[in-house]
Amino acid sequence: AQSVSQHNHHVILSEAASLELGCNYSYGGTVNLFWYVQYPGQHLQLLLKYFSGDPLVKGIKGFEAEFIKSKFSFNLRKPSVQWSDTAEYFCAVNARAAGNKLTFGGGTRVLVKP
Amino acid sequence: DAGVIQSPRHEVTEMGQEVTLRCKPISGHNSLFWYRQTMMRGLELLIYFNNNVPIDDSGMPEDRFSAKMPNASFSTLKIQPSEPRDSAVYFCASAMPSSYNEQFFGPGTRLTVL
Repeated sequence: AQSVSQHNHHVILSEAASLELGCNYSYGGTVNLFWYVQYPGQHLQLLLKYFSGDPLVKGIKGFEAEFIKSKFSFNLRKPSVQWSDTAEYFCAVNARAAGNKLTFGGGTRVLVKP
Repeated sequence: DAGVIQSPRHEVTEMGQEVTLRCKPISGHNSLFWYRQTMMRGLELLIYFNNNVPIDDSGMPEDRFSAKMPNASFSTLKIQPSEPRDSAVYFCASAMPSSYNEQFFGPGTRLTVL
């Protein structure tokens, strides 16, 4: 069974700082990769996804993620955060052989100070 | 489209009572997922359905939990009897059946069992 690790549980940074959130997964087969965001009091929304092709994926709100297959990683980045990026971020992995079931990481809470 | 609809949005009940959570997936989506989110355990997949058929219920905590999907537009998650440790936010999500498709989440039901 696949598992997903997000190493940072909490991140605090100031506006305009750069953000990078780590995500590693354990699964030897072909995967689809996702980042979801959950703003305070809201439901999860998709930020970006990777299925194939260019390993650098651009998503909404200036976020991007890079798939490094050799490292089993899919780190999320944003060059300059805003206060409105305060949220919890979830990495998720779908093992294609497992149908459309997603395994989520534990989440990273990001607080951006104005 | 109205998105995934869940009801109720908030539920407060006493230990031992039966609780029923409801979900209406996005029209045309063949897959439906029930998740539970807590501070301690993060986001856990409880069960998911494809074409109204339960595919994986390995995440259902115990026999007190049951889920049904009588038709393509409605699903229920029932807890009987409820316990304080069931307090959590329960999310429903839907997707097209392919693993290439993102899951769309509902607003969640915040359950408090006293």
